[in-house]
Amino acid sequence: ETGVTQSPTHLIKTRGQQVTLRCSSQSGHNTVSWYQQALGQGPQFIFQYYREEENGRGNFPPRFSGLQFPNYSSELNVNALELDDSALYLCASSPSTSGVQETQYFGPGTRLLVL
Amino acid sequence: SQKIEQNSEALNIQEGKTATLTCNYTNYSPAYLQWYRQDPGRGPVFLLLIRENEKEKRKERLKVTFDTTLKQSLFHITASQPADSATYLCALDPSGSARQLTFGSGTQLTVLP
Repeated sequence: ETGVTQSPTHLIKTRGQQVTLRCSSQSGHNTVSWYQQALGQGPQFIFQYYREEENGRGNFPPRFSGLQFPNYSSELNVNALELDDSALYLCASSPSTSGVQETQYFGPGTRLLVL
Repeated sequence: SQKIEQNSEALNIQEGKTATLTCNYTNYSPAYLQWYRQDPGRGPVFLLLIRENEKEKRKERLKVTFDTTLKQSLFHITASQPADSATYLCALDPSGSARQLTFGSGTQLTVLP
């Protein structure tokens, strides 16, 4: 086990709604990244947070936003849900000390279904 | 455009044989490349990292090679076992800043008893 937990495990929402997904990293892991994984595809980078500041962003619209808290937990918020947002959402943490990280430790993911 | 391709969607091999998975990339100059294992409904699990100045790296029954001229990495599992059945993902850092990973779509490996 990686020590990274996510909640909830599964979630069903309807188009246009908003959702908040949560992640708890290992103590001491200052960097957290969020990924979206569609069925049959590899994870796609959404954004990364280092010491509560956004540290990089992938090709996702502003309706995907995040927060990182001092207690090593973080959130991914998605507004105005679309059908294509249905995917497995993964968070990954890293014990980096400078925002630069290589190996990432993934949580089990949250499976989101948008109807 | 930048692209990462992993060989075939599925690979079936007999128990005890060596599985070889391929990761090809174009228009990247990664400082390192990583391999992950992913089981159904689970998050990826880190296996190995190989840097651009390393030709080969081993860990138990796993071996990774990295050819920056061919822009290719090979991932080998020797003496494969049914428990090795999973999807294997290669990933690299496209920006060189080590702030994000770009993943291939994965190769699903099934080891038949």
